[in-house]
Amino acid sequence: GAGVSQTPSNKVTEKGKYVELRCDPISGHTALYWYRQSLGQGPEFLIYFQGTGAADDSGLPNDRFFAVRPEGSVSTLKIQRTERGDSAVYLCASSPDRGPAETQYFGPGTRLLVL
Amino acid sequence: DAKTTQPNSMESNEEEPVHLPCNHSTISGTDYIHWYRQLPSQGPEYVIHGLTSNVNNRMASLAIAEDRKSSTLILHRATLRDAAVYYCILRGLSSGSARQLTFGSGTQLTVLP
Repeated sequence: GAGVSQTPSNKVTEKGKYVELRCDPISGHTALYWYRQSLGQGPEFLIYFQGTGAADDSGLPNDRFFAVRPEGSVSTLKIQRTERGDSAVYLCASSPDRGPAETQYFGPGTRLLVL
Repeated sequence: DAKTTQPNSMESNEEEPVHLPCNHSTISGTDYIHWYRQLPSQGPEYVIHGLTSNVNNRMASLAIAEDRKSSTLILHRATLRDAAVYYCILRGLSSGSARQLTFGSGTQLTVLP
């Protein structure tokens, strides 16, 4: 079946602008995760949804970052007043189960460049 | 949080086995050991996971030490397509969260033709 998809694949914006990044999880997966990966680093957790609610948003760096998942499927990560330091690859993952043995399935990521 | 330690980089020749080590001396009894890999310009990909016993799947084998303080990911015959960053990750009630994955820097595997 189809995997996790993310759009756009690349986004170039100017400092101060607003951006939205979209994630389409695998159908039926109740858990959805956002991660951010800077060049040369491993991915860092941002936020986790179980269904429609954000179960853990402890990884969001500040209040310029916000994410929603209104119908428990597609999720949008929103970044206000973008800064050059927001440039990174934003990864989305989904999973069907709960618990420490679950597998997360990742999308290809959105490469965000803030000029 | 329980942490993992991996070498920054390793090299292997094509068609030869590769043993990627991971130390996790503070692992607890409820922590699963997961391995993911990330090919260039792609998202991470699940490889294998285990709790206490050694595990095999179509991609790799996972050998877990008897005291669980270390583990080794084994690629039986490395191919050029196996060149990637390999991440060893602990997940469980003692690892901060059973939900999110906590990635370290991983091991960059280079496969030589």
